[in-house]
This record gives sequence, structure tokens and C-alpha cells, in this order.
Amino acid sequence: AQSVTQLDSQVPVFEEAPVELRCNYSSSVSVYLFWYVQYPNQGLQLLLKYLSGSTLVKGINGFEAEFNKSQTSFHLRKPSVHISDTAEYFCAVSESDDKIIFGKGTRLHILP
Amino acid sequence: DVKVTQSSRYLVKRTGEKVFLECVQDMDHENMFWYRQDPGLGLRLIYFSYDVKMKEKGDIPEGYSVSREKKERFSLILESASTNQTSMYLCATAQSSGNTIYFGEGSWLTVV
Repeated sequence: AQSVTQLDSQVPVFEEAPVELRCNYSSSVSVYLFWYVQYPNQGLQLLLKYLSGSTLVKGINGFEAEFNKSQTSFHLRKPSVHISDTAEYFCAVSESDDKIIFGKGTRLHILP
Repeated sequence: DVKVTQSSRYLVKRTGEKVFLECVQDMDHENMFWYRQDPGLGLRLIYFSYDVKMKEKGDIPEGYSVSREKKERFSLILESASTNQTSMYLCATAQSSGNTIYFGEGSWLTVV
């Protein structure tokens, strides 16, 4: 069965600094991978997803993620964060059985 | 635009009451999901459905049941509410495996 581990529950970063939010998954088959964002008091929305093809995936708001099959990772990165990136970020994995499993989330705190 | 509507945003119920949470989607999606979101625990899958009258248990199905009599509607039922079921409940839909998941606004349930 698939599972998702987000290694950091909270990540503080200074504004305009780069950030990496880590995500590892376990699965015995091919997977689809997603990153979702939840801004304060809002619903979840898709940042980006990996289905197949290029392992570097670009999403909205300047975020990107790299799929690494050998390390079973899908880390999310942004080269320069803004105060508006303050949110909770969720990594998710889906196998072909349509079940979608989310990680516990990582809270990104942007420091002025 | 995609629309996932959860019938109740805020509910307060007494221990032992039967609770119905309704979710309706207007996108003709095959897959529908119920998650609960708790601080520090992320989103946990309760049940999902890949077709009318079909359902699969997620990671935490105990104390819950679901109903999908029509494609557009997926109901979550708490047969006898307990205080540990106080949570935010999120409905989501997706066309099929690998497709973007769309979330409703959530239903805050408090059991007293």
C-alpha cells in the first residue's frame, strides 16, 4: 500500500531565500505524485503534479518539484519565497487503484 | 469551473447522534473521496468511491459509512457520533487516477 512521508512539519524561511519541502513515498508500482497548497482559511488547490515524462515538473507561483524514482522522493522547491507563500503544503500519491493518500503536511513560515 | 459543494459548513452534534455530510459535484467525475483533516495529522482518507454504489475503505473507516446512489452525490454517515470525530471533513473528486483532485470547502463538525 502506498504511503507518504513529509519529513518536516514546519519550515521557517527568510523572505527571498530558497526553500525545499521534502516528500518521500513508498509504493510497489508506478505512481502519480502531487503537491497541494492550503493558504490560511482556504481550501486545497493543486500546485503541480507528476504523471510521467520529464522528472522536473513546474507548477504555479514559481514552484517546481523533481521526481526521483531511485530515492522515491518528490521534493518541492522554490528559488525565492515571498510572504504570500505562507501556507501548508501537502504531498500526495496515487496508484492506479484511484486511491489518493496525503502526507501530514508541512507549514511554511516566511520570516521578514 | 469545477464545483464541489458540501452541504453544511459548520455543524454541532451531540454524542450518539447520527450525522449526514453531503457532497455534490457537477463535473461528472468518476471518483469521489471523503477525508478528515486534523492539525498535525494532515488529510486522512476515510472512504472513496470509483463508481455509483461502489466504495472502498480508506485508512480510517471505523465509525463511518458512505453512500453513493447517484454519480454526483457522495454522502458520509457517522452512525453514532463521538467526540473524537470532531474534525474538518473534506470531500474531493477526480475524473480518474492521475487526474487533479478538486476539493470542497470543508465541513467543520463539532461533537459535544
